[in-house]
Amino acid sequence: EPEVTQTPSHQVTQMGQEVILRCVPISNHLYFYWYRQILGQKVEFLVSFYNNEISEKSEIFDDQFSVERPDGSNFTLKIRSTKLEDSAMYFCASKDRYTDTQYFGPGTRLTVL
Amino acid sequence: GENVEQHPSTLSVQEGDSAVIKCTYSDSASNYFPWYKQELGKGPQLIIDIRSNVGEKKDQRIAVTLNKTAKHFSLHITETQPEDSAVYFCAASGGFKTIFGAGTRLFVKA
Repeated sequence: EPEVTQTPSHQVTQMGQEVILRCVPISNHLYFYWYRQILGQKVEFLVSFYNNEISEKSEIFDDQFSVERPDGSNFTLKIRSTKLEDSAMYFCASKDRYTDTQYFGPGTRLTVL
Repeated sequence: GENVEQHPSTLSVQEGDSAVIKCTYSDSASNYFPWYKQELGKGPQLIIDIRSNVGEKKDQRIAVTLNKTAKHFSLHITETQPEDSAVYFCAASGGFKTIFGAGTRLFVKA
């Protein structure tokens, strides 16, 4: 069964550094999402992406965040200058054009020191 | 802003009993309501969903009900098993945005 994959599984970085989290959505999917989950808390919507542009973003998704689909398979989340409070699990999700079902990847645990 | 309230935060049941988790949403534009199960160290996995034009949906031991007027929706798990133990999230979606509830940690005691 096709699945969403994410790399790396764990990223440790120093405060102020840039990080790029990578996702490979399911191949025929057209809608892409990033979510974040701070340890023990709920899943929070960050951004949705369709047709090579952002469809919607939350108030969390400020100027420090950006997303890109650099080629036909990858979908990336960049955090320009990480803060301690960016430490969280980051989940990528994708869906096709026919259903509402979003398929989540296993997540990247980001630790900012 | 949009919000989804989920109760209870923790639920402990005996194996074989039923479990009910309730959610309330605020955004009238929400038209799709998925439920996710999250096991430790993994991403959320869809277990059942319902659209706003349907009042109830069932899939084996899992059912979801939706009251659009009251903006309530609920997850019902019957004949619970230890492997049902996990965190369950409800969510409400309209357009390109999905808002999650705070989660319910379900413990099923053997």
